[in-house]
Amino acid sequence: GESVGLHLPTLSVQEGDNSIINCAYSNSASDYFIWYKQESGKGPQFIIDIRSNMDKRQGQRVTVLLNKTVKHLSLQIAATQPGDSAVYFCAENKNSGYALNFGKGTSLLVTP
Amino acid sequence: NAGVTQTPKFRVLKTGQSMTLLCAQDMNHEYMYWYRQDPGMGLRLIHYSVGEGTTAKGEVPDGYNVSRLKKQNFLLGLESAAPSQTSVYFCASSWGTAQYFGPGTRLTVT
Repeated sequence: GESVGLHLPTLSVQEGDNSIINCAYSNSASDYFIWYKQESGKGPQFIIDIRSNMDKRQGQRVTVLLNKTVKHLSLQIAATQPGDSAVYFCAENKNSGYALNFGKGTSLLVTP
Repeated sequence: NAGVTQTPKFRVLKTGQSMTLLCAQDMNHEYMYWYRQDPGMGLRLIHYSVGEGTTAKGEVPDGYNVSRLKKQNFLLGLESAAPSQTSVYFCASSWGTAQYFGPGTRLTVT
């Protein structure tokens, strides 16, 4: 079946560097994508979203890029901080209503 | 605003016991969802609701039932718990596609 997957299970970056977390999706009919951050022992926290009619969207220190040609989504975090250490999930909306399909997650570790 | 709250935070059940997990949201969201999250996995949708009095099955509904008697509450029931239902359960709510999550309930079935 169609699914959302992430390229790497773990990513280690130094504090202050930029982080890039990648996500591939296979459902070409998906029209909405979200990035979530999940810290240990907590629920997923909404970071940023993007619709399929956009290529790029920026938030505070975060940018999401969408390449529909290769069905690829990325989350860029500028000047990564220790507080950014968490598991990051991408999610796409399924064809039916507002249900989301989640990837397995990438663990980001920020080292001093 | 408390956002999305879940009770209890932790629970241990014996196989065959029943329990209900409560989710409450104070954001006046129309849509509510129950997910489970297993180690190293993303979230899988159990059931969801698009409004008061309505529920629908998600990806993994077997062994669970839900009710949405009030707009702000979404209950998840396990009638006869099984060890395979050991997981962390998350509730979420939304107006549209961006879902907002509760802190989770960690359930262990022995």
